[in-house]
Amino acid sequence: GESVGLHLPTLSVQEGDNSIINCAYSNSASDYFIWYKQESGKGPQFIIDIRSNMDKRQGQRVTVLLNKTVKHLSLQIAATQPGDSAVYFCAETIYSSASKIIFGSGTRLSIRP
Amino acid sequence: NAGVTQTPKFQVLKTGQSMTLQCAQDMNHEYMSWYRQDPGMGLRLIHYSVGAGITDQGEVPNGYNVSRSTTEDFPLRLLSAAPSQTSVYFCASSYSFLRGNNSPLHFGNGTRLTVT
Repeated sequence: GESVGLHLPTLSVQEGDNSIINCAYSNSASDYFIWYKQESGKGPQFIIDIRSNMDKRQGQRVTVLLNKTVKHLSLQIAATQPGDSAVYFCAETIYSSASKIIFGSGTRLSIRP
Repeated sequence: NAGVTQTPKFQVLKTGQSMTLQCAQDMNHEYMSWYRQDPGMGLRLIHYSVGAGITDQGEVPNGYNVSRSTTEDFPLRLLSAAPSQTSVYFCASSYSFLRGNNSPLHFGNGTRLTVT
């Protein structure tokens, strides 16, 4: 079936270290993927996206990697800061009779001082 | 530029009551959608619209109605509230939802609904 899942529900990292959040997707026809950050009491905020014709895309301190062979997506955050504490969601766009964006259940990232 | 605005921020309903959650965007986005988020879970799509006058069902549409009479507004109506509809509701919009020309969703800050 269609699903987007995360390997780790929680992740604790030392401030200054790099964080890696993983995501698996099941629909091989998905061609657009997005990472969102959600802070407490707020709506999800766009971080970075990637299309299926790419395998890597970099932003400011963030990198998304896409491995279509194993249907795996990851978000790398460099030099993690306290402000990075949040829940991170990956999402895939599925095109069918009902085009929709499917979200994973989320990974909570906590930063150790 | 306000982005996506949702009202109210909080609402308490009794079982059987009806209400409308408002959503407005000022970015001239064609695509709008409603999600619900339950504790510890991701977002589930309720209804969406690819343009004024066009709506379609998402993953969990039962108990909700939508309409899209203008590009800016996309209200979500609860017909007869049930405790199972206690959740946080997010409205989101996107400039384009066309394959090969996608743009990311922009979210409002949510409406926290409690049904007793």
